[in-house]
Amino acid sequence: EVHLLESGGGLVQPGGSLRLSCAASGFTFSNYAMSWVRQAPGKGLEWVSSISDSGYSTSYADSVKGRFTISRDNSKNTLYLQMNSLRAEDTAVYYCARAVGGRDGLDYWGQGTLVTVSS
Amino acid sequence: QSVLTQPPSASGTPGQRVIISCSGRSSNIGSNVVHWYQQLPGSAPKLLIYSNNQRPSGVPDRFSGSKSGTSASLAISGLQSEDEADYYCAAWDDSLNGRVFGGGTKLTVL
Repeated sequence: EVHLLESGGGLVQPGGSLRLSCAASGFTFSNYAMSWVRQAPGKGLEWVSSISDSGYSTSYADSVKGRFTISRDNSKNTLYLQMNSLRAEDTAVYYCARAVGGRDGLDYWGQGTLVTVSS
Repeated sequence: QSVLTQPPSASGTPGQRVIISCSGRSSNIGSNVVHWYQQLPGSAPKLLIYSNNQRPSGVPDRFSGSKSGTSASLAISGLQSEDEADYYCAAWDDSLNGRVFGGGTKLTVL
């Protein structure tokens, strides 16, 4: 059974940093592209970043470009999101999700981890 | 403001057919496939339709998708109370080089 488990969320002050992790199981992690999608409280879904199966290709939403870095460790079946220079508007539940290819549907999602940016 | 445009709300009575629209532009829906997600209250999103009109295993055939030009739509027939959820369309955008979502449509079953 496919399982994605996010961790690393929490309360952080504006300007601070946080690293999210997403542990994958139940499938061959290195065969799939992965994405981070966030949802601010009471709002809709917003794509944050994607990474190819090999990790060589990445893409970011303009809202996080230059501040967030997506990476993966295929030997550990884990996806990461390093978030720096956090702002109040980054407050959201962050979901990791998988796709066969970069433009394919996100067929499995984790339950999400809440990031709150506040002083 | 979302790149893809959806109506904020939709409603229907049990058994009815409801259609949710999603409007984009040439750089996203016009040149890439569309996916639809269902998000039940308090839950993570779930892939409902992929590649315009394909259903993942386990999704009832009451749900169907279509695309024409720069617009797409999700149809739900035989509406049931458990269909009450938020629905999002999504596609790749070639200009933004990233995924884009619609703002979501809250479906209420009356």
